[in-house]
Amino acid sequence: EVQLVESGGGLVQPGGSLRLSCAASGLTFSSSWMSWVRQAPGKGLEWVASIKQDGSEKYYVDSVQGRFTISRDNAKNSLYLQMNSLRAEDTAVYYCARVRLRVFDYWGQGTLVTVSS
Amino acid sequence: EIVLTQSPATLSLSPGERATLSCGASQSVSSSYLAWYQQKPGLAPRLLIYDASSRASGIPDRFSGSGSGTDFTLTISRLEPEDFAVYYCQQYGSSPTTFGQGTKVEIK
Repeated sequence: EVQLVESGGGLVQPGGSLRLSCAASGLTFSSSWMSWVRQAPGKGLEWVASIKQDGSEKYYVDSVQGRFTISRDNAKNSLYLQMNSLRAEDTAVYYCARVRLRVFDYWGQGTLVTVSS
Repeated sequence: EIVLTQSPATLSLSPGERATLSCGASQSVSSSYLAWYQQKPGLAPRLLIYDASSRASGIPDRFSGSGSGTDFTLTISRLEPEDFAVYYCQQYGSSPTTFGQGTKVEIK
């Protein structure tokens, strides 16, 4: 059974930083593109970032470019999202997702990030 | 970027009825790279359909997808109680990948 378990969310002040983690099991993590997708409270889905299997390619939505960094550790079957210079509009549930054939076929349960003073 | 517009925003139907959800794109979606997801309250989205009409693993055949270019449709042939949820379309033919704003299917 595939499991993606996110952690690291919480309350942070505007301008602050947070690091999200996603622990993967039940899939060949090192062979999978991985992504972060977020959902603001009561809103729709927004793709945030993706990373290639070996970490050599990374892509970001324009609104987080230069502030967020996606990374992975294949030895630990883990995905990360370092979020700096956080803004109120970054408040959302952040999902870790496996990418297959360009779609998100497995999702974690999500971790809530709240940016507020 | 491609903007996806879903209609209607809310669909009120009874169990056993047919549901037809639409997803319109601001530009043609290349190679019909269009997916549909279902999301229930408090849960993560679940992949239903990819490449416009291919069902994901384990998805019942009452769910079907169709369309090409700028107009796509998700059809649920006969609504089961567990199908009442929010549905999102996603295009992945152009970067960045984008989602529609969702259609809520509620019990009438």
